[in-house]
Amino acid sequence: NAGVMQNPRHLVRRRGQEARLRCSPMKGHSHVYWYRQLPEEGLKFMVYLQKENIIDESGMPKERFSAEFPKEGPSILRIQQVVRGDSAAYFCASSPPGRNEQYFGPGTRLTVT
Amino acid sequence: DQQVKQNSPSLSVQEGRISILNCDYTNSMFDYFLWYKKYPAEGPTFLISISSIKDKNEDGRFTVFLNKSAKHLSLHIVPSQPGDSAVYFCAAPRSYNQGGKLIFGQGTELSVKP
Repeated sequence: NAGVMQNPRHLVRRRGQEARLRCSPMKGHSHVYWYRQLPEEGLKFMVYLQKENIIDESGMPKERFSAEFPKEGPSILRIQQVVRGDSAAYFCASSPPGRNEQYFGPGTRLTVT
Repeated sequence: DQQVKQNSPSLSVQEGRISILNCDYTNSMFDYFLWYKKYPAEGPTFLISISSIKDKNEDGRFTVFLNKSAKHLSLHIVPSQPGDSAVYFCAAPRSYNQGGKLIFGQGTELSVKP
């Protein structure tokens, strides 16, 4: 059973470009979460999705950030017009319904130059 | 508002001795807690969890203790091994068994010296 997959592992973008981060949950997991870890900080929740639904986006910045988990395909975290402050490690996690344990992918390290 | 706190950013322990990592929380509604281990450039790995109906949960070398009255939990690793060197995060789910975000502490970096 493959774990949570994220790609790309590393992404370099210039200021003003768009960043797209992809996440495929573990088989059988219908809940997907995105977290961000800024340098020297802990993990901060961004968004919680189920198939075709955003359940909780209370951690998402109000502008430039969006997330989706379509019926088919991976979950996508999209950052428009990136700024240097968006440089961070972005982690995706998944869980089966009704469970607290979340299983994390290896992360995407975004660098904005 | 930091609802889950790990006040020690780092801990150094000799191989074979006990490592004790601490975590405090402020929200008395939290009723489940998880510990994750994270190596550099990797995602967090789930280690062990505890429900508030228990005060102890053990899995091999790892034991988590929960003191609800003090709103405090700790992770004990015995005996510590060099491969345990990593950052350890405690976390609490916003709502029990309903899915939802995990609230993480800031992490404690454990270094186990041979």
